[in-house]
Amino acid sequence: QSALTQPPSASGSPGQSVAISCAGTSSDIGAYKYVSWYQQYSGKAPKLIIYDVDKRPSGVPDRFSGSKSGNTASLTVSGVQAEDEADYYCCSYGGRHRWVFGGGTKLTVL
Amino acid sequence: EEQLVESGGGFVQPGGSLRLSCEASGFAFNTYSMNWVRQAPGKGLEWISYIWTDEVYYADPVKGRFTISRDNVRNSLFLQMNSLAAEDTAVYYCARDRAFVFDLWGQGTMVTVSS
Repeated sequence: QSALTQPPSASGSPGQSVAISCAGTSSDIGAYKYVSWYQQYSGKAPKLIIYDVDKRPSGVPDRFSGSKSGNTASLTVSGVQAEDEADYYCCSYGGRHRWVFGGGTKLTVL
Repeated sequence: EEQLVESGGGFVQPGGSLRLSCEASGFAFNTYSMNWVRQAPGKGLEWISYIWTDEVYYADPVKGRFTISRDNVRNSLFLQMNSLAAEDTAVYYCARDRAFVFDLWGQGTMVTVSS
């Protein structure tokens, strides 16, 4: 399976909304509702922020939201804050207990 | 507190072997499937292996060289890595799998393959 396609970078000023796309195929994103997003600070472990396309784990701010259309998923940060500056990875279940990640997007808060 | 702690990483020459461990605490380890995910320096995340009871799966780049196993008495997950190559250099994370989502991650252990 090929990696999901994310833009390498995204940016926004504090308070702005930023969207990060994640393009897959009909064998992964298009086939399953199991799309998740992870936030990773430099030198730290990834942290789950969105699962099942649009669900937020307890404790994740509601400015983070997810969606999916066809073979493409998106993460939106509404009202981006300085502490949101990190790398973001999408992930999709690909069937037969295999998963595929995106290449990651570095979010810069201007 | 739910926690995963990896160990066993280090420096190894090409062709060598290494065994990684991941100790779980704070949750019922035997009720979850577990995975290994790696991240090469400056690169993205890559899923490499899954285990649930006796069911195991591998990503193509590691199939035939890596073996995943678990010990539910010791609440531990393992990854035996053989025939290591430079492209296996990465931080290796163990991750708990809850309904097809990686909801708990360890802090990672670094593996460097170099001559």
